[in-house]
Amino acid sequence: NAGVTQTPKFRVLKTGQSMTLLCAQDMNHEYMYWYRQDPGMGLRLIHYSVGEGTTAKGEVPDGYNVSRLKKQNFLLGLESAAPSQTSVYFCASNRALLVPEQYFGPGTRLTVT
Amino acid sequence: DAKTTQPTSMDCAEGRAANLPCNHSTISGNEYVYWYRQIHSQGPQYIIHGLKNNETNEMASLIITEDRKSSTLILPHATLRDTAVYYCIVSENAGGTSYGKLTFGQGTILTVHP
Repeated sequence: NAGVTQTPKFRVLKTGQSMTLLCAQDMNHEYMYWYRQDPGMGLRLIHYSVGEGTTAKGEVPDGYNVSRLKKQNFLLGLESAAPSQTSVYFCASNRALLVPEQYFGPGTRLTVT
Repeated sequence: DAKTTQPTSMDCAEGRAANLPCNHSTISGNEYVYWYRQIHSQGPQYIIHGLKNNETNEMASLIITEDRKSSTLILPHATLRDTAVYYCIVSENAGGTSYGKLTFGQGTILTVHP
């Protein structure tokens, strides 16, 4: 199992550009999450999904959209990137609420200039 | 979710036990205590969790006080590879409205030195 993978690993965007971050998991997990981590801070939840075709807002959803068309993939979109979105983005998944462990991907480092 | 308080940083000698404290005085009856760690530039890694009783796994032990207002994560024989940020998180499990989301604070930076 590859676990949770994220594409790309690094990206530099100019203000106003758009991009999509891809998260994929091969563990057949129902729940998937997108977090962002700013320097010196803990992770903050952006959006999450409790199953294929469902999405919900987390703590800091503004400026982001998500889609979960396939169970194994969770996409995070930035329609018009802003410097405030410079961060490291982590995706996570877990099998079910009864299973406490979340598995995290390696992260995507995004810089918006 | 209840708020947690952890020391900003701690040091530990290699081979010794590392004891990381966490205060969660507002924890409610259905909330679990989770510990994750994040090694530099990597995604967080689950360590252990518990509700009331002490727990142990291959990585660590979790001691929860009887009133559940605080807990301690114990790494019995710390190695250099245990240097990381350790997060204590309180969250509902199944049935709650949190949908399994984790609220990360700033954690404790544990430095294990030779």
